[in-house]
Amino acid sequence: EADIYQTPRYLVIGTGKKITLECSQTMGHDKMYWYQQDPGMELHLIHYSYGVNSTEKGDLSSESTVSRIRTEHFPLTLESARPSHTSQYLCASSVRFGGDEQFFGPGTRLTVL
Amino acid sequence: AQSVTQPDIHITVSEGASLELRCNYSYGATPYLFWYVQSPGQGLQLLLKYFSGDTLVQGIKGFEAEFKRSQSSFNLRKPSVHWSDAAEYFCAVGAGDMRFGAGTRLTVKP
Repeated sequence: EADIYQTPRYLVIGTGKKITLECSQTMGHDKMYWYQQDPGMELHLIHYSYGVNSTEKGDLSSESTVSRIRTEHFPLTLESARPSHTSQYLCASSVRFGGDEQFFGPGTRLTVL
Repeated sequence: AQSVTQPDIHITVSEGASLELRCNYSYGATPYLFWYVQSPGQGLQLLLKYFSGDTLVQGIKGFEAEFKRSQSSFNLRKPSVHWSDAAEYFCAVGAGDMRFGAGTRLTVKP
């Protein structure tokens, strides 16, 4: 069954720690995205990728970085977590960029103490 | 740049009542329009989408939406709400990249 997975689902971590949020999809989609979601706010695109070895920053400035070494895998890394990084992070994928349905993972809720 | 406005932050309806969630967009051409639903602790699931053609679009779970170009709107409707419809609903416009509204939280009273 084609799907998109995120691990961990919940993470509580102390300030200054390095963390990696994992995202994998089995649909063979070239386009992948990371969004940040806060209550009552629109989803903000923080990173996206057109395919392998392609990574771009989204419209919301983020201190995180991403990599795309394999089509199915799009991890997000925070080198030094801070309380301001506390949020929900959603990973998504699509066949085409832009006006195309995006398929979302269940999200990772990150709390930085 | 495109933008999306969902005027209602929170709506409460009784089970069995009809539902309309509002969405207004800003975009220079005919956009691709989407409605997603998010249940607690889950990601977003697509309910329906509009690309072109018939302005009344049918989706999953008995939802429909109507594109009105003159009003720049894409409102979501359901004739009879079920308790399981309680969730957060997001309107989105896709053109170049996807822009989401801030969401409308739906509460269903028994």
